Amino acid sequence: EAGVAQSPRYKIIEKRQSVAFWCNPISGHATLYWYQQILGQGPKLLIQFQNNGVVDDSQLPKDRFSAERLKGVDSTLKIQPAKLEDSAVYLCASSPQRVSYNEQFFGPGTRLTVL
Amino acid sequence: SQQGEEDPQALSIQEGENATMNCSYKTSINNLQWYRQNSGRGLVHLILIRSNEREKHSGRLRVTLDTSKKSSSLLITASRAADTASYFCATGTASKLTFGTGTRLQVTL
Repeated sequence: EAGVAQSPRYKIIEKRQSVAFWCNPISGHATLYWYQQILGQGPKLLIQFQNNGVVDDSQLPKDRFSAERLKGVDSTLKIQPAKLEDSAVYLCASSPQRVSYNEQFFGPGTRLTVL
Repeated sequence: SQQGEEDPQALSIQEGENATMNCSYKTSINNLQWYRQNSGRGLVHLILIRSNEREKHSGRLRVTLDTSKKSSSLLITASRAADTASYFCATGTASKLTFGTGTRLQVTL
C-alpha cells in the first residue's frame, strides 16, 4: 500500500513570496490533516478535512494560509505571503476513520525555509 | 498548543540498554499514542493505549498509562542504534490529536 505522498520535499523562498505544498493521502482515507512542525517542537495541527469539508481550522492563520481538498482526495496548502516564522516542516497525514483520535499516517513532510 | 510534555527532552544511552521516556498531559483523553520521527522524515505510529487500559506491549515497546496522574511512559527494551529518533506522545480527544514536545533518543554503539 502506497503511503502519504508530499511534494516538494524542500522549498526555499524569500519572505513575502508565495508557496504551495501538495499532499496525496493513502487511497480511501477520508480524513486528511496538515501539521506545522517548527524545529525542536511537536507537530501542530493547522487544518483537518473530512472528505472535502473542513472539520477544524482553528489554528490556521487564515490571513496568510489557505488549504483546499478538491474532490476529497489530494490537498494543497498555500502560504501567501510567507513570513520568516513560517520556516518549518509541513506534514500531511491521513486516516481512514472519521474520528481524529485514531492512528494517523504521515507523509515525509516539506521543509520550508523562508529567508 | 502542546498538550503533552515529554521528559526528558534528550536521552543518550548505549546499545542494549533500556530507554524510558515520560509524557504528562493536561486534559481528559480518549487515548494516548506514541510516534517515532527519524531525522528528516515523517512520523510513524508506534502504539496506542486507550484511556481504560493501563499497560500495553508491542515487541520491544511497553507503554503504561496512569489517567489519575495524567501521565504515560514508553519503555524501549534492548535498544538498538536504529532506535535513534525523536519520540512524541500524542493525546487523542474527540476533536483532535495533540502532540507533545518530544524526546530525542540517541543510541550509541
